[in-house]
Amino acid sequence: GENVEQHPSTLSVQEGDSAVIKCTYSDSASNYFPWYKQELGKRPQLIIDIRSNVGEKKDQRIAVTLNKTAKHFSLHITETQPEDSAVYFCAATPWGYSTLTFGKGTMLLVSP
Amino acid sequence: KAGVTQTPRYLIKTRGQQVTLSCSPISGHRSVSWYQQTPGQGLQFLFEYFSETQRNKGNFPGRFSGRQFSNSRSEMNVSTLELGDSALYLCASSPAGQGSGNTIYFGEGSWLTVV
Repeated sequence: GENVEQHPSTLSVQEGDSAVIKCTYSDSASNYFPWYKQELGKRPQLIIDIRSNVGEKKDQRIAVTLNKTAKHFSLHITETQPEDSAVYFCAATPWGYSTLTFGKGTMLLVSP
Repeated sequence: KAGVTQTPRYLIKTRGQQVTLSCSPISGHRSVSWYQQTPGQGLQFLFEYFSETQRNKGNFPGRFSGRQFSNSRSEMNVSTLELGDSALYLCASSPAGQGSGNTIYFGEGSWLTVV
């Protein structure tokens, strides 16, 4: 089955800095890669996703890049703000499937 | 549109008891999946239902079961509760089945504490 590794497990940055979270996956059949943000005590919320026919996708301060050959994908957050502080999860699945394999999560702390 | 609704939100059970959790997916969504979230293991897939049929199952013991009704609402049951079953149980829904593009939405979860 699929295995998703996520690094780092914790990340502390100053407000305004950039943050990068990296994930690798094992199953070459995976071609859909969503990222979820989970604030303390709340549900995971989808913030951005990418399919394997796209190398990069951007939405305002958030971008995701995908290297299918190397089986890794990354989340980039620019101009971080304190409200970006949360746990971020990457996930992978074959497109059209409704089951996700998650990474262990990255706790991002943005200090004012 | 209402989001994914889970009940109850919080519950405390005793070892050996059983528990049933309920999930109402987003209107029109036919796929419902369940995940267990714990600090040590992260988010782990339990099972997925589509059109009242279990389509996928994760690596959990048979004490964990579920079902889906004709209106796409789903329940999961855990029998003979163990302390290690204490977790946040998340339900997720998506609009379509295999072969179609999906975005997966999560409910707020049911916090289960086993004492």
